[in-house]
Amino acid sequence: ETGVTQTPRHLVMGMTNKKSLKCEQHLGHNAMYWYKQSAKKPLELMFVYNFKEQTENNSVPSRFSPECPNSSHLFLHLHTLQPEDSALYLCASSQNARGGPKNIQYFGAGTRLSVL
Amino acid sequence: GDSVTQMEGPVTLSEEAFLTINCTYTATGYPSLFWYVQYPGEGLQLLLKATKADDKGSNKGFEATYRKETTSFHLEKGSVQVSDSAVYFCALSDDDYKLSFGAGTTVTVRA
Repeated sequence: ETGVTQTPRHLVMGMTNKKSLKCEQHLGHNAMYWYKQSAKKPLELMFVYNFKEQTENNSVPSRFSPECPNSSHLFLHLHTLQPEDSALYLCASSQNARGGPKNIQYFGAGTRLSVL
Repeated sequence: GDSVTQMEGPVTLSEEAFLTINCTYTATGYPSLFWYVQYPGEGLQLLLKATKADDKGSNKGFEATYRKETTSFHLEKGSVQVSDSAVYFCALSDDDYKLSFGAGTTVTVRA
């Protein structure tokens, strides 16, 4: 148990559906991250929030919409996705979005998304 | 930019065998280096880290030494168990918070 919980663990959706992924951390951290993990590719950083403010959008298509209502919760709203968006979506948190060797990122178990 | 290259898998071993996963990096500064492990059906867990040259990170029998002269951070374990079957990711973090990951190496240990 890493202290970062993601729901749902599995999600199947059609291309016209709207769904949301949820991430919650119980570590008292102030930074939260969304990553995409596709088969045979390195993890891709999608979004970063630091103290509820978005500080990074790594050229992610607008069909992915993040929301961070407080430092403990992070959502990823999905709409009109494409089959190539099928992947494992990982959430992570850290003390803050600054550098330094003590700023370790802790990951959730991920949501396995399949777009039909 | 920063990048990490790790040996491609999959790697299949017998129990009690010696495991080495090679990792080399490219970075402009003096990065911190990490190994993360992903067990089947789970997210990534930090396995070990090293923050400066010649540091050795260790955990659960795994070790890796930060070698600045060869820009490497190879992961080793002297005697693997079936429970070590997982995907292992090498990663670096430079002056900011961003983690650059390698592609991952799948390790399967057979009884």
